Amino acid sequence: DAGVIQSPRHEVTEMGQEVTLRCKPISGHNSLFWYRQTMMRGLELLIYFNNNVPIDDSGMPEDRFSAKMPNASFSTLKIQPSEPRDSAVYFCASSEARWEQFFGPGTRLTVL
Amino acid sequence: DQQVKQNSPSLSVQEGRISILNCDYTNSMFDYFLWYKKYPAEGPTFLISISSIKDKNEDGRFTVFLNKSAKHLSLHIVPSQPGDSAVYFCAATVTGNQFYFGTGTSLTVIP
Repeated sequence: DAGVIQSPRHEVTEMGQEVTLRCKPISGHNSLFWYRQTMMRGLELLIYFNNNVPIDDSGMPEDRFSAKMPNASFSTLKIQPSEPRDSAVYFCASSEARWEQFFGPGTRLTVL
Repeated sequence: DQQVKQNSPSLSVQEGRISILNCDYTNSMFDYFLWYKKYPAEGPTFLISISSIKDKNEDGRFTVFLNKSAKHLSLHIVPSQPGDSAVYFCAATVTGNQFYFGTGTSLTVIP
């Protein structure tokens, strides 16, 4: 298995633009997580899905952030409009059992 | 508010010695704890975990200790190897319904 796939690996955009991050979980995993990593706060859970249904989005910072999981093999995290403070590394992770999560390589987002 | 804290941003250890990484938490409802290891430009990878009903879990060179009364978790690596150089994240969860990670400790093992 290729593991969790994220695209793009790097994204540089200007303030106000829409950004879409993509994730393909490991086949057969029924939970998917989106995290944001910053120096100050470490890894923060933004939202997680179970069987394609959003279970907890309390970590989503504000309405500019939205996430979807239209099917078991694809999820997106969208930021609209983006702001410089959104610059971070965004990780997607999937799991079969709740405890052990398999992380993707991350998307480094820079908002100018 | 950080519910999981790793107060040491970095640690350097000689090869062959013991590495001890510490983690403190505030939520007494946490029932499962995990350690992840992260190399540059890669996502974190699961290393070892412990349930709140235990106080120790061992896997090869890695041992995790849990002190519930102190709300403290530690990861011991013995003996440390240069390949262990990475960032280590402590994480905690309540029945898998929320995951809280610390800010990470960067371990450098000096050959």
